[in-house]
Amino acid sequence: GQNIDQPTEMTATEGAIVQINCTYQTSGFNGLFWYQQHAGEAPTFLSYNVLDGLEEKGRFSSFLSRSKGYSYLLLKELQMKDSASYLCAVRDNDYKLSFGAGTTVTVRA
Amino acid sequence: ETGVTQTPRHLVMGMTNKKSLKCEQHLGHNAMYWYKQSAKKPLELMFVYNFKEQTENNSVPSRFSPECPNSSHLFLHLHTLQPEDSALYLCASSQDEGSGANVLTFGAGSRLTVL
Repeated sequence: GQNIDQPTEMTATEGAIVQINCTYQTSGFNGLFWYQQHAGEAPTFLSYNVLDGLEEKGRFSSFLSRSKGYSYLLLKELQMKDSASYLCAVRDNDYKLSFGAGTTVTVRA
Repeated sequence: ETGVTQTPRHLVMGMTNKKSLKCEQHLGHNAMYWYKQSAKKPLELMFVYNFKEQTENNSVPSRFSPECPNSSHLFLHLHTLQPEDSALYLCASSQDEGSGANVLTFGAGSRLTVL
């Protein structure tokens, strides 16, 4: 089976930086995704990594190390609207996507 | 609004009822998915349709029955459910199950409560 681990909750202050880690053990690897889900809303796509290294998109960056089975999502200059659940998902060699349980980030003023 | 619309948004049903969840997308996508989301648990893939053909049934009990009449519509028929089936049911679509990055676009979900 697939095993994807991420912290359950994180709290940070407005304007700060938060790093959400994700480790995975899957049957093959064909890409890692991060999604954001606000309470009561649809998950929305944030980033995709398939090669090692850092992908930057504005205030959000995602890093991947395939040899370590490790990724992180970095949220910079936190805003109140960034309070949400962040889902790590890994696609295996059969193109099946498995999700972690999500990390709830709370941004405080 | 993500482009994937789910109805109803909330549903309460008894264990002997029969109901259906509906999902609609007009993004031109060819793959559609049903996921179950329970509190504090990972999203569980239930079913996948690619070009209207079912390509995945993730050991889902037969009381859940999917239907995909065309690439734009996906249904989940529910009958004789159990209280533990109460959850948020998310529909998603993507260009093609086996293509490139294959980013999923999700609907806002149907919140199901089984009494």
